[in-house]
Amino acid sequence: AQSVTQLDSQVPVFEEAPVELRCNYSSSVSVYLFWYVQYPNQGLQLLLKYLSGSTLVKGINGFEAEFNKSQTSFHLRKPSVHISDTAEYFCAVTPGSSNTGKLIFGQGTTLQVKP
Amino acid sequence: DVKVTQSSRYLVKRTGEKVFLECVQDMDHENMFWYRQDPGLGLRLIYFSYDVKMKEKGDIPEGYSVSREKKERFSLILESASTNQTSMYLCASSFAPWYGYTFGSGTRLTVV
Repeated sequence: AQSVTQLDSQVPVFEEAPVELRCNYSSSVSVYLFWYVQYPNQGLQLLLKYLSGSTLVKGINGFEAEFNKSQTSFHLRKPSVHISDTAEYFCAVTPGSSNTGKLIFGQGTTLQVKP
Repeated sequence: DVKVTQSSRYLVKRTGEKVFLECVQDMDHENMFWYRQDPGLGLRLIYFSYDVKMKEKGDIPEGYSVSREKKERFSLILESASTNQTSMYLCASSFAPWYGYTFGSGTRLTVV
């Protein structure tokens, strides 16, 4: 069975510092990978996704993620964070062969950006 | 843009009540999903539907049922609400695995 592990439950960081949110997945088949962001009292919105091809994926709000097949990881990065990036971030995976695209989510990482 | 609308942002219900959470999407997506979100547990799949009147159990279906009579609407039903069903409920829709989900804003349900 597939699973997703987000290695940090909380990541505190100062404004304008770089940040990395870590995500590992387990799967024996090819997968599609996603990062979502949830601002307080809102639903989730898509940040970026990896389907195939280039392992470096760029998303909205200056975020990017790198797919590493050998390490089964999909870490999210931003070179300089803003206060407005404070939110919860979720990594998710689905098999590429899935008919429904059912996503399996990690536990979430809370990014706290301090002034 | 696809829109997924959940009918209530906040709900307070009493133990034992039958509770209906409604979700509507406006982009003809075949697949719809209900998750619950709890701190430290991430999102857990309750039920999903891949077509009208078609449904499958997710990871935590106990105490819940669903209804999908029309393609655009997917309802989650708590047959007899209990305090351990206090949670944030998120609805999502999708039309293909590579698309990912579009989420609604969520319904925060409190059972007292």
